[in-house]
Amino acid sequence: TQLLEQSPQFLSIQEGENLTVYCNSSSVFSSLQWYRQEPGEGPVLLVTVVTGGEVKKLKRLTFQFGDARKDSSLHITAAQPGDTGLYLCAGARGAAGNKLTFGGGTRVLVKP
Amino acid sequence: GAGVSQSPRYKVAKRGQDVALRCDPISGHVSLFWYQQALGQGPEFLTYFQNEAQLDKSGLPSDRFFAERPEGSVSTLKIQRTQQEDSAVYLCASSPYRVSSGNTIYFGEGSWLTVV
Repeated sequence: TQLLEQSPQFLSIQEGENLTVYCNSSSVFSSLQWYRQEPGEGPVLLVTVVTGGEVKKLKRLTFQFGDARKDSSLHITAAQPGDTGLYLCAGARGAAGNKLTFGGGTRVLVKP
Repeated sequence: GAGVSQSPRYKVAKRGQDVALRCDPISGHVSLFWYQQALGQGPEFLTYFQNEAQLDKSGLPSDRFFAERPEGSVSTLKIQRTQQEDSAVYLCASSPYRVSSGNTIYFGEGSWLTVV
């Protein structure tokens, strides 16, 4: 059982559409990170959120950390084929901060 | 290269065979992590080193799994008597920080293990 649940598991959209990926948990995290992983490669960090309610923007990507620090969302505006990949959220908890707990991932396919 | 390097990239092992997976972290990085990623799933934590000390091995699935980092740089993950359920990508990551929470860790490309 994943401590962090991601939804949806798979998303297929047309270029130019918007999408949102959710990451939910019943546990509180001291920080939460979003990664993108492409086939045959390791995950690459996109962003880290630390404060409840925090919103961070990275070009067309908007990340939000829930007020209670239990959930997060990733919103992509005007998706492009280059956004295709596996998006993973990962949380760190307090004293166990050196152990990241990953969600199951959301596979995003952006069709041209 | 300047990134985390893992070898071999691909390994096919017969059931019962022992395997050793190597990780070269980014030079000077204090922390080193091993994660296991099964097909279609997110990575799961295996173990963590701070320099040569293995501070957390709570994620190792059985006593067939053993990891070491004797000189605080290169690490080896060894799996004895491999089973089919060991088939996965084994990811190594490193960080310049002692506490990684909220900080960036850098992943290698992974070692793909298939047990037949």
